[in-house]
Amino acid sequence: SQELEQSPQSLIVQEGKNLTINCTSSKTLYGLYWYKQKYGEGLIFLMMLQKGGEEKSHEKITAKLDEKKQQSSLHITASQPSHAGIYLCGASRGYQKVTFGIGTKLQVIP
Amino acid sequence: DAGVIQSPRHEVTEMGQEVTLRCKPISGHNSLFWYRQTMMRGLELLIYFNNNVPIDDSGMPEDRFSAKMPNASFSTLKIQPSEPRDSAVYFCASSLITDTGELFFGEGSRLTVL
Repeated sequence: SQELEQSPQSLIVQEGKNLTINCTSSKTLYGLYWYKQKYGEGLIFLMMLQKGGEEKSHEKITAKLDEKKQQSSLHITASQPSHAGIYLCGASRGYQKVTFGIGTKLQVIP
Repeated sequence: DAGVIQSPRHEVTEMGQEVTLRCKPISGHNSLFWYRQTMMRGLELLIYFNNNVPIDDSGMPEDRFSAKMPNASFSTLKIQPSEPRDSAVYFCASSLITDTGELFFGEGSRLTVL
């Protein structure tokens, strides 16, 4: 079983719509990472959250980490086709060892 | 700036053959990671090195898998003998030990074992 649970596993939205992807851990996290992957390519770093209650934004993507540091959400505002891809959350519980969830596949329909 | 460089990008081989995947991390980075990605299991951490020393290889599936990092600019992941279930995309990532801990990924090596 995965240490990190992501939901939903796949998502199809119409361009312009908002969406949220969730990542849940059963254990307290030292750090929570969000990465994006396009098919056939490597992973691109989006942001990292470390403190309980922390929130970060990059362009139209916002990520939050809850106070208990066990759950994170990634929110995309006014989605565009360029947002399509696989979003992965990664968790660090110690010295740089980062494990990932299975990912959420996002399709944005023009 | 050159990113993490992996080779080969694609490899098709027959069961029983030896496979060697190569990685050149970003210059100056002192940590290197090998991951494997499949549809069923997602992205799995196989092994990681700090300053060329293997720190955690608990993710290496079997003795058929081995990884080395002879110097700061090169690492290999070897599978011998290969099996069809090893078919996956293998990613190498590197990082500099800092508070952010951002991992920089290569483009991956897609392995198909027939």
